Amino acid sequence: GDSVTQMEGPVTLSEEAFLTINCTYTATGYPSLFWYVQYPGEGLQLLLKATKADDKGSNKGFEATYRKETTSFHLEKGSVQVSDSAVYFCALSPGEGGGADGLTFGKGTHLIIQP
Amino acid sequence: DAGITQSPRHKVTETGTPVTLRCHQTENHRYMYWYRQDPGHGLRLIHYSYGVKDTDKGEVSDGYSVSRSKTEDFLLTLESATSSQTSVYFCAISDLGGESETQYFGPGTRLLVL
Repeated sequence: GDSVTQMEGPVTLSEEAFLTINCTYTATGYPSLFWYVQYPGEGLQLLLKATKADDKGSNKGFEATYRKETTSFHLEKGSVQVSDSAVYFCALSPGEGGGADGLTFGKGTHLIIQP
Repeated sequence: DAGITQSPRHKVTETGTPVTLRCHQTENHRYMYWYRQDPGHGLRLIHYSYGVKDTDKGEVSDGYSVSRSKTEDFLLTLESATSSQTSVYFCAISDLGGESETQYFGPGTRLLVL
């Protein structure tokens, strides 16, 4: 079945550092890929998404490129802020209408940004 | 923000008691989902619905049942709660079609089974 693998952390960085959170996936067909963010005590919010190979999703300074050849969707940000401290989830949907079956999530990466 | 509410937001119950969690949406989305979130597991799908009275099982459905009698409401029932069902439960909605495969999540229900 489908699966998503991501570093669990915690990942601790200093403010203004460069961020990379790796995400790789296993899926048949052409999945859609997502990054969600969860702030303490809250639900998940969509951060960005990509629905086909070579697409780049971006939002709030975060970027991720859908790489089919390496089955990856790594999250990057050039300069992190304390307010970026949260748990980040990589997820996939089977795509082509198969999303009705729900998303498959990675285990989440806890990011801590120190001033 | 998508109009999704969950109730209750927090609940403490005892082993063996029935528990019902409610998810309510104001977006008229067709698809609704229940996930549980546990440390080291991320989110796992419990059940989902693709329309009124149309539901199906997810990855971790044992011990749970669901009902959807109206588009806006999706109920999750633990028939006889166990300590292993202590978790945070999230409801999500989706409208599918085109680029709309995104799922939008509610604020969560924190359940403690003693």
